Amino acid sequence: DTAVSQTPKYLVTQMGNDKSIKCEQNLGHDTMYWYKQDSKKFLKIMFSYNNKELIINETVPNRFSPKSPDKAHLNLHINSLELGDSAVYFCASSPGAGTNYGYTFGSGTRLTVV
Amino acid sequence: SQQGEEDPQALSIQEGENATMNCSYKTSINNLQWYRQNSGRGLVHLILIRSNEREKHSGRLRVTLDTSKKSSSLLITASRAADTASYFCATDDTGFQKLVFGTGTRLLVSP
Repeated sequence: DTAVSQTPKYLVTQMGNDKSIKCEQNLGHDTMYWYKQDSKKFLKIMFSYNNKELIINETVPNRFSPKSPDKAHLNLHINSLELGDSAVYFCASSPGAGTNYGYTFGSGTRLTVV
Repeated sequence: SQQGEEDPQALSIQEGENATMNCSYKTSINNLQWYRQNSGRGLVHLILIRSNEREKHSGRLRVTLDTSKKSSSLLITASRAADTASYFCATDDTGFQKLVFGTGTRLLVSP
């Protein structure tokens, strides 16, 4: 199926651990994003890559590091996890950079830090 | 910030009724988009309306845009229980580089 797929779907980990979330899209899109959705359903953009190049880097702690090995993949590594990192993380993609396209979202990774 | 605000925060209706959600934003936009999020799922793109358009339709969805009032509305006609979800508007940021999502409207459609 054509889609944006994220793994894992659920992630429960202890404070201080390091974890990664992977995202892949087979839509042929050039641009990929990471969004964070908090417990109040507020969605905030974290990063965006266009053809493997970082184009949006919001005010996010340095513990969060994205990596795009190719334009179909965008991973998110989080060091030294904190309780406040608990949220749902969504990967998304669009045909190109900017806002002239609808975004296709993955189903999310629910991260719980205990 | 440009974050849109949806109104109402929550809406409860019966199947067959129409549901109207509103979105207000602060600065000029290139376009505005509406998304649906079912519980525990990702967002699904519904409609994109450009700043030079006033109305757009897609199936049972009708979106209007009033740039003079900096507001948009999403109308779902003849609602179904399957329309139960959260609905978000999303607008450009000032540089038109990223989508900024609103606070969302939770719609509950009862059979």
